[in-house]
Amino acid sequence: EIVLTQSPGTLSLSPGERATLSCRASQSVSSSYLAWYQQKPGQAPRLLIYDTSTRATGISDRFSGSGSGTDFTLTISRLEPEDFAVYYCQHYGSSLWTFGQGTKVEIK
Amino acid sequence: EVQLLESGGGLVQPGGSLRLSCVASGFTFSSYVMSWVRQAPRQGLEWVSTLGRSSGSTFYADSVQGRFTISRDNSKNTLFLQMNSLRAEDTAVYYCAKFRIGAISDFDYWGQGTLVTVSS
Repeated sequence: EIVLTQSPGTLSLSPGERATLSCRASQSVSSSYLAWYQQKPGQAPRLLIYDTSTRATGISDRFSGSGSGTDFTLTISRLEPEDFAVYYCQHYGSSLWTFGQGTKVEIK
Repeated sequence: EVQLLESGGGLVQPGGSLRLSCVASGFTFSSYVMSWVRQAPRQGLEWVSTLGRSSGSTFYADSVQGRFTISRDNSKNTLFLQMNSLRAEDTAVYYCAKFRIGAISDFDYWGQGTLVTVSS
């Protein structure tokens, strides 16, 4: 079973700053099967990035994903007020779907 | 517009049962694999179960295997989750989620969730 570990647990930044979120897998995963979600309080998760680096429909180009093997990154180029939320990475396989524990991006 | 609307949550005693439903609209339901994902209070996301387009393939997390059953009625655009032998640790918001594409995929649409509370 693949375990995804996200870091840091909490990221305190100011609007306009760059956010870099990490997701590390316990074993190498296919880059085709890594996604990122955003979740705000009281809301369902929203798909941001799939297949490591492809933005989902309607997602701002401020969001970008990269990585391969065991190390993946979500970058938010310039934080907007609406970007402060919890972010989850996810690996999807043929019979198992695994989430990281989340990174909270909070206003500094 | 894709919509997923869950229902059926509530308060149930340990050992009890509950059946969740998720009514889908805005897409061809029978053409997509569907899943349930849950989130315990103040916790992260946990995948629960996935069901193939024609109910032929089912997958479960170890934590619910043997207790939960996923099913669908394509004629009614509805996904179900039958939950038996419920435990306190099953307390969570349960989301239904749609596969974006194919049989190995992320989830591009989620419902608003239904809260299940297991407590005496």
